[in-house]
Amino acid sequence: EAGVAQSPRYKIIEKRQSVAFWCNPISGHATLYWYQQILGQGPKLLIQFQNNGVVDDSQLPKDRFSAERLKGVDSTLKIQPAKLEDSAVYLCASSQTTGSHTQYFGPGTRLTVL
Amino acid sequence: RKEVEQDPGPFNVPEGATVAFNCTYSNSASQSFFWYRQDCRKEPKLLMSVYSSGNEDGRFTAQLNRASQYISLLIRDSKLSDSATYLCVVNTPGNTPLVFGKGTRLSVIA
Repeated sequence: EAGVAQSPRYKIIEKRQSVAFWCNPISGHATLYWYQQILGQGPKLLIQFQNNGVVDDSQLPKDRFSAERLKGVDSTLKIQPAKLEDSAVYLCASSQTTGSHTQYFGPGTRLTVL
Repeated sequence: RKEVEQDPGPFNVPEGATVAFNCTYSNSASQSFFWYRQDCRKEPKLLMSVYSSGNEDGRFTAQLNRASQYISLLIRDSKLSDSATYLCVVNTPGNTPLVFGKGTRLSVIA
């Protein structure tokens, strides 16, 4: 079974630029999560989708971050404009349902903002 | 008080040693508990769930103490391949997200 796919794996941008990350969850998984993991910290949930609807985006900085999952499968996370403190690994995870606590993570996108 | 707290380590132990990590959580309504493992520059992976009665999976034993609001992970006969960061994860009832601790780093030395 294919795992969670993410691209790009690495991205370097300058502050105030825009960036977008893509995630393809495990086939059939209804729930998709985007996490931000800053060096030395645990993953912090940014947004959770159930199919194409948002379940929780309370920790998403909505002035600069946006995410969508239009067809309930793939998802994109965008940052516009980026700040230095956005440098982190952005992890996408999926699970079969919202109630399933086994989340499968993708390899992440390592973002460096200069 | 942070929702989930862990000693960041690092714990440096020789091969074959027994090592234990604790994790405390602040929300007494928390009901689901997990340990995830994260290798350097890799994604987290579920290691084991933590059940009220405690549970064992090979060399790994997880315990839950609801009265004191902590969970523990015991690793026996440590292997070099156990070197990783161990993330404590807690969930409260309802449609709430998992809360991850900062992780405890373990280095098993030959």
